[in-house]
Amino acid sequence: RKEVEQDPGPFNVPEGATVAFNCTYSNSASQSFFWYRQDCRKEPKLLMSVYSSGNEDGRFTAQLNRASQYISLLIRDSKLSDSATYLCVAPPAGGTSYGKLTFGQGTILTVHP
Amino acid sequence: NAGVMQNPRHLVRRRGQEARLRCSPMKGHSHVYWYRQLPEEGLKFMVYLQKENIIDESGMPKERFSAEFPKEGPSILRIQQVVRGDSAAYFCASSPRDRENIQYFGAGTRLSVL
Repeated sequence: RKEVEQDPGPFNVPEGATVAFNCTYSNSASQSFFWYRQDCRKEPKLLMSVYSSGNEDGRFTAQLNRASQYISLLIRDSKLSDSATYLCVAPPAGGTSYGKLTFGQGTILTVHP
Repeated sequence: NAGVMQNPRHLVRRRGQEARLRCSPMKGHSHVYWYRQLPEEGLKFMVYLQKENIIDESGMPKERFSAEFPKEGPSILRIQQVVRGDSAAYFCASSPRDRENIQYFGAGTRLSVL
């Protein structure tokens, strides 16, 4: 099983829609997770962190489900500018350097008018 | 706003040449990380460095690749005798000393090997 696994999509949604992505992780000892956003041919940018049960920032909500080992990202009222690839990230737990982030393959979101 | 600076942004090399990629971390950050993104693939960790110290190089290919972060100057990722399979986007990230998980990325260097 991959350390971090995402549905690659693509997700095609109209403006104003609500969309959710899931990401599963294999290391049950992982304590914190992150969502990054990557626009085409650009650098990943930190979107949200998830340390406990969840985190909300405006239209974005991230949830962590430890029992089922997945995190989710919910985007409400989608904007055209939300079109990007969303990367799920898990830091290492136990035995490896703390800075070695593991990225999922990414979920592609396209918001259309 | 002095973010993570990488140069060059684009680098073209012929097979067998050397590629040197540079990264200056964000002001106040002492940790540097290099990631590689192959076409149509996700980001893969390569190496984690602090000043004059390699902390974790578990993602570095065994041959031809090396990295350093000297006391003065930028971090350098060096690829010797490049091959076509080295063509990729190489991203550098930096973090504060006590927050290794919070990493900020540079714009990347796109290496093309002819």
